[in-house]
Amino acid sequence: QSALTQPASVSGSPGQSITISCTGTSSDVGGYNYVSWYQQHPGKAPKLMIYDVSNRPSGVSNRFSGSKSGNTASLTISGLQAEDEADYYCSSYTSSSTLGWVFGGGTKLTVL
Amino acid sequence: QVQLQESGPGLVKPSETLSLTCTVSGGSISSYYWSWIRQPAGKGLEWIGRIYTSGSTNYNPSLKSRVTMSVDTSKNQFSLKLSSVTAADTAVYYCAREGPGYCSGGSCYVRMTFDIWGQGTMVTVSS
Repeated sequence: QSALTQPASVSGSPGQSITISCTGTSSDVGGYNYVSWYQQHPGKAPKLMIYDVSNRPSGVSNRFSGSKSGNTASLTISGLQAEDEADYYCSSYTSSSTLGWVFGGGTKLTVL
Repeated sequence: QVQLQESGPGLVKPSETLSLTCTVSGGSISSYYWSWIRQPAGKGLEWIGRIYTSGSTNYNPSLKSRVTMSVDTSKNQFSLKLSSVTAADTAVYYCAREGPGYCSGGSCYVRMTFDIWGQGTMVTVSS
């Protein structure tokens, strides 16, 4: 199973909004509503930010939102804050080759 | 509150077998899928595979020939063995839970996401 495709980097100024895309296939992103997004700060474990395409776990800011269209999912962060600077990874359930999970290559978010 | 802790050797010689254990505390290991995920330095996350508490497994096809996972419900632990390691297997290894569980309309389910992660353990493959 091939990794999902994410842009290597995105940037934005405090207060602005940014969107990170995550492109897969009909065997993963397009075939299941099991897309998640994780935030990872340097030296830390990933933290769940969005699950089931657009749902936020308790405690995650409503500045984070997710959506999906066809084989592409997106994470939008509004009202950017300095603490949002991190790496972001998407993941999707997949039925390509085996049942399991596939991750995106990750996107480095820089808050200017 | 459920917590995960990885343990095992931080240094493994090439061609040998990497062995890691993840201990689940604060809750039961039962009725969940448990995964291993790794991250080479400066690179992205790679799903290695998962095991259900019944022992049923799914592995990443790219690693399947070298991976074995097991679960010990009496100890609330699950384990990873990766054989014939090379320098390319050097990475931080995380264990993670697919969850949480929830009930709706009289039935109970498990969320299809990784809600809980261990802190990660660095494994270096070198002679």
